[in-house]
Amino acid sequence: ETGVTQTPRHLVMGMTNKKSLKCEQHLGHNAMYWYKQSAKKPLELMFVYNFKEQTENNSVPSRFSPECPNSSHLFLHLHTLQPEDSALYLCASRSVGLADRNEQFFGPGTRLTVL
Amino acid sequence: QKEVEQNSGPLSVPEGAIASLNCTYSDRGSQSFFWYRQYSGKSPELIMFIYSNGDKEDGRFTAQLNKASQYVSLLIRDSQPSDSATYLCAVARRSNAGGTSYGKLTFGQGTILTVHP
Repeated sequence: ETGVTQTPRHLVMGMTNKKSLKCEQHLGHNAMYWYKQSAKKPLELMFVYNFKEQTENNSVPSRFSPECPNSSHLFLHLHTLQPEDSALYLCASRSVGLADRNEQFFGPGTRLTVL
Repeated sequence: QKEVEQNSGPLSVPEGAIASLNCTYSDRGSQSFFWYRQYSGKSPELIMFIYSNGDKEDGRFTAQLNKASQYVSLLIRDSQPSDSATYLCAVARRSNAGGTSYGKLTFGQGTILTVHP
């Protein structure tokens, strides 16, 4: 595997379900991100992890719970979601350092539908 | 005022023409500017980045930055049908004093470009 991978690619869940999205980066990066992309809205940053530490929570509801066990893996745990949470969830990674230009590389995304 | 605003689309140009995509931003502390291309059903792909005022060329793509006017643009020369996609402008603030930052990108809503044969 190369680049940034995400699983599953598609997910349909009920409002009472619990599911998790997984992201893995194979680029040796040390920062990872979750974004939400809804129709006709700009990409919204949800969470940022730098060196496994959460450094940003962009006022995301608690029904979304991130987990970053190491610098290569990032999870988004979902529970009691609402239909308006249906969107494309994108993971991105980046290499933080002195020469950092903030170039982020995206995974293919998980298309989530909440019924 | 939106933090990052892109010219409303969709934008339709004939094959071979120049496509011009515009973006304005509100945060004067912004230092890094990015253009991503997103094909329908796919994830964003970084195609250009620019940090200094002026022009930056890469193949058929030219990014232009004017920090005084808080304006960044992307020109696509000799447009091809394969350039048809949504183009996202993204802006980041400067790194912190330690030379690192948590890398918050603020995106515009995107401009849909269609290049017709």
